[in-house]
Amino acid sequence: EDKVVQSPLSLVVHEGDTVTLNCSYEVTNFRSLLWYKQEKKAPTFLFMLTSSGIEKKSGRLSSILDKKELFSILNITATQTGDSAVYLCAVNNNDMRFGAGTRLTVKP
Amino acid sequence: KAGVTQTPRYLIKTRGQQVTLSCSPISGHRSVSWYQQTPGQGLQFLFEYFSETQRNKGNFPGRFSGRQFSNSRSEMNVSTLELGDSALYLCASSLKLAGGDEQFFGPGTRLTVL
Repeated sequence: EDKVVQSPLSLVVHEGDTVTLNCSYEVTNFRSLLWYKQEKKAPTFLFMLTSSGIEKKSGRLSSILDKKELFSILNITATQTGDSAVYLCAVNNNDMRFGAGTRLTVKP
Repeated sequence: KAGVTQTPRYLIKTRGQQVTLSCSPISGHRSVSWYQQTPGQGLQFLFEYFSETQRNKGNFPGRFSGRQFSNSRSEMNVSTLELGDSALYLCASSLKLAGGDEQFFGPGTRLTVL
């Protein structure tokens, strides 16, 4: 059965810390992996990854995909309180399968 | 450019009734996907429409159906509502098919089934 597993489920850090969020998957017909940030509203898109080893970067956030080991990581450096949110990983393989999310709390 | 809009934003129904939710994508977007989000199950894919055709479907019973119109607006229908259908229903639009493009989510319709 296709599945997407995120870890940790929750994480509490202090401002300025660096965090790494993990997403592993087992799906057939992999097409892409996407990261989203969800605060108290609808998810907002962060990255789409299709190729292994190519880092996508946006400000303090970056992500990379390993299609051999079937996982992706999302890094956030110099965290801020505004980074507090649930981070969702989704894999597209004919449908979109989401992980349970990682709830990140950044304390001042 | 206006974002994805969903109507209604809140809805209360009773078991056995049916409901229709509406989603208007960003202008020019041809793909509309629907998701159900609950605290217990997280975000689950319902189906995706592209150019008026259902392209992909998640693992939901036949009580959940949808359609897309020529202007890309989409509706989702749930018949014979059950208590477990209470959830936030999100739609998302993209230029291309969902897996190959950035998706923009609407604010959602919160459905409560009593």
